[in-house]
Amino acid sequence: NAGVTQTPKFRVLKTGQSMTLLCAQDMNHEYMYWYRQDPGMGLRLIHYSVGEGTTAKGEVPDGYNVSRLKKQNFLLGLESAAPSQTSVYFCASSDGTPPGKLFFGSGTQLSVL
Amino acid sequence: DQQVKQNSPSLSVQEGRISILNCDYTNSMFDYFLWYKKYPAEGPTFLISISSIKDKNEDGRFTVFLNKSAKHLSLHIVPSQPGDSAVYFCAASEYNFNKFYFGSGTKLNVKP
Repeated sequence: NAGVTQTPKFRVLKTGQSMTLLCAQDMNHEYMYWYRQDPGMGLRLIHYSVGEGTTAKGEVPDGYNVSRLKKQNFLLGLESAAPSQTSVYFCASSDGTPPGKLFFGSGTQLSVL
Repeated sequence: DQQVKQNSPSLSVQEGRISILNCDYTNSMFDYFLWYKKYPAEGPTFLISISSIKDKNEDGRFTVFLNKSAKHLSLHIVPSQPGDSAVYFCAASEYNFNKFYFGSGTKLNVKP
């Protein structure tokens, strides 16, 4: 049972480069989320989706874009990477039952030089 | 400014004793609270939750207590086991449950 799969697991970018992080879930969940984890900051919500074709901003959305064209996939894009975007990125999904029971992927370590 | 705070970055406990992890929040609109556990190189996993209409919820060795007047919740692990060694995050949400705000985490070390 795959659950939530994130690709890639590691990536190094140069400032100004672009990339897309892919999140795929096989649990037929409606809700999907992108978080970033930074030392001393915990997990901060970047964007989320409450269903196919919908997206919404979280706490720290600047510099990121997202798309949810298919229910099982949630893409996170960095158009012009900056060193401040060096972080560990986690994708999560949920069916809302119970509220807050999120299933997380194993994370993507991104370094922007 | 962080709305959910875990002021203890780390905690060390002897195996078999009680572990108490604390969490404070500032937003009085928070309605639902959760604890997650995270091992290195893995994503967080859901542990236990509590609604604001309750002040206690138990699940096996894990109990979460909520003190709404103090805007404080705690996670008790009894008895602690070496496998409980991990980073624990508390999280909170308003009634719409679309956004979950996480604390910075507490690293628990349970010594054999």
